[in-house]
Amino acid sequence: QVQLVQSGAEVKKPGASVKVSCKASGYTFTDYYMHWVRQAPGQGLEWMGRINPNSGGTDYAQKFQGRVTMTRDTSINTAYMELSRLRSDDTAVYYCAGAGSGSFDFWGQGTLVTVSS
Amino acid sequence: QSALTQPASVSGSPGQSITISCTGTSSDVGGYNYVSWYQQHPGKAPKLMIYEVSNRPSGVSNRFSGSKSGNTASLTISGLQAEDEADYYCSSYTSSSTRIFGGGTKLTVL
Repeated sequence: QVQLVQSGAEVKKPGASVKVSCKASGYTFTDYYMHWVRQAPGQGLEWMGRINPNSGGTDYAQKFQGRVTMTRDTSINTAYMELSRLRSDDTAVYYCAGAGSGSFDFWGQGTLVTVSS
Repeated sequence: QSALTQPASVSGSPGQSITISCTGTSSDVGGYNYVSWYQQHPGKAPKLMIYEVSNRPSGVSNRFSGSKSGNTASLTISGLQAEDEADYYCSSYTSSSTRIFGGGTKLTVL
């Protein structure tokens, strides 16, 4: 079955960086774009960007330009999202989601990132 | 870019039907047939319920249906059941090749 398994919860200090991983199984990794979506506590979903696992090409939401980097390692079917210069309002659950066309077809379980001094 | 507009909450009794709206612009909802809907239960990841405006993925109940008119998309749930109580989000492709979500709607089954 299709599955995305994300890395565990992180606690970071303001100004630090965090890198979240998303390991795919049950499908051909390069057939689906990988998107990253975050959800602050009690808030809605926010799209951060996507990576084409085939080419490595990326598109980022303007809000995160310059702070986010999405990469992938096709040898281990894993995508990564790194967010730098963390602030307290980056505290959120971060999801990876596989997309075939215009929709997010399957999701990881989420990774809680807490930013606190 | 502002989020798509959804009502904060809707409610209905078991067996009734409800509709959740999702309003955007001609640069997102109105311009493309890439509107999708997600169900999210507390503490869980979102689940795809409708894609490309009106298509249901395999395994999703036919009580869920989607439509679009102009810049507004809609999700209708018929024959409400207790298990439908959740948050619902719409999403659209945009003219900037990005994605955008609605603010979310909390569905309460009375």
